[in-house]
Amino acid sequence: AQSVAQPEDQVNVAEGNPLTVKCTYSVSGNPYLFWYVQYPNRGLQFLLKYITGDNLVKGSYGFEAEFNKSQTSFHLKKPSALVSDSALYFCAVRDQRTNAGKSTFGDGTTLTVKP
Amino acid sequence: DVKVTQSSRYLVKRTGEKVFLECVQDMDHENMFWYRQDPGLGLRLIYFSYDVKMKEKGDIPEGYSVSREKKERFSLILESASTNQTSMYLCASASFNQPQHFGDGTRLSIL
Repeated sequence: AQSVAQPEDQVNVAEGNPLTVKCTYSVSGNPYLFWYVQYPNRGLQFLLKYITGDNLVKGSYGFEAEFNKSQTSFHLKKPSALVSDSALYFCAVRDQRTNAGKSTFGDGTTLTVKP
Repeated sequence: DVKVTQSSRYLVKRTGEKVFLECVQDMDHENMFWYRQDPGLGLRLIYFSYDVKMKEKGDIPEGYSVSREKKERFSLILESASTNQTSMYLCASASFNQPQHFGDGTRLSIL
């Protein structure tokens, strides 16, 4: 079984400040981990992924995420938030042993960046 | 760029109707998915397909069926629409071990 938890429904930050959106996961084997962003009335867009290798993963729009195996976490970070980063963010996990590409998504975290 | 196209952005149907939602991808992906998205519930997987004519139930398959006759097309069918199926429906496709690419969604209202 695999599962994802995004413990915060909402994160508010001021423009220019660093942001963190939290994600913890549970899988039986080794994880594939993904972050996606969703803007209003649109589908999800891929931001970044962890498959193997470096624990710090860099992605689109200046976002990065750190894979921490001991804490089973994959928090999304950005050093300096922009108002345009305001959106709904989803973390997803897939057990590397499972078939196809079936991922489990978290419930999402709404990020609001205020000017 | 990968494109996943959902046939309708907005759809209004009546209770009891048979409803078809169509999804087409242009990148020859093996895997295709149907989700529904409801406020506070995140994304819930309805069905997915890993090959032509192959399908597996997701977390909430009741009241739905799917069809994949061609690799690029994955259809979601509501056999007899009910008001609790009013939702945003998202289609996605992916190659093995790669991120999913999503369509822009169909907002379905059942009256």
